Amino acid sequence: NAGVTQTPKFRVLKTGQSMTLLCAQDMNHEYMYWYRQDPGMGLRLIHYSVGEGTTAKGEVPDGYNVSRLKKQNFLLGLESAAPSQTSVYFCASSQRIEPQHFGDGTRLSIL
Amino acid sequence: GENVEQHPSTLSVQEGDSAVIKCTYSDSASNYFPWYKQELGKGPQLIIDIRSNVGEKKDQRIAVTLNKTAKHFSLHITETQPEDSAVYFCAASGRVQGAQKLVFGQGTRLTINP
Repeated sequence: NAGVTQTPKFRVLKTGQSMTLLCAQDMNHEYMYWYRQDPGMGLRLIHYSVGEGTTAKGEVPDGYNVSRLKKQNFLLGLESAAPSQTSVYFCASSQRIEPQHFGDGTRLSIL
Repeated sequence: GENVEQHPSTLSVQEGDSAVIKCTYSDSASNYFPWYKQELGKGPQLIIDIRSNVGEKKDQRIAVTLNKTAKHFSLHITETQPEDSAVYFCAASGRVQGAQKLVFGQGTRLTINP
């Protein structure tokens, strides 16, 4: 099992460009989450999903959109990237009452 | 909303000694408290967790204690080894529609000196 796989691992964007980060899990988990991690800070929840076709806002949702069209995939979109969105993005998944399993992150730089 | 404070931000101990990291939380409704270890270039990995109906949990060299009244919980690592060097995060959450909305502390960079 691969667990949680994030694509791409690195990306550099220019301000105003758009992109989509992909998270895929092969553990048949119901719940999926997107976090961002900035230097000197813990992870902060952007959006999450409690099942296929559902999404909900987390702590820092502004500037991001998400979709969960398939149970195993959770996409994070940036419509118009801003330098403040330079960060490391982590995806996680879990089953009910089970701990979250994290991917290895996408390092995103916005110039 | 929930707020989690973690101390210290850096910790350096001699190999074989113990390390203690402390966290406080603000929301008395939080009922799940995981600890994650993050190595360079990797995602966080769960090392131990505790639920609000338990005061202490131990797994080999790692233990976590929870004081619900004082709203704080701590990670204890005994007989530290070089491979314990990493960044450690505490987190707290309640449940919304079954999902864990984790709020993380700021992290502790633990260095084990040989």
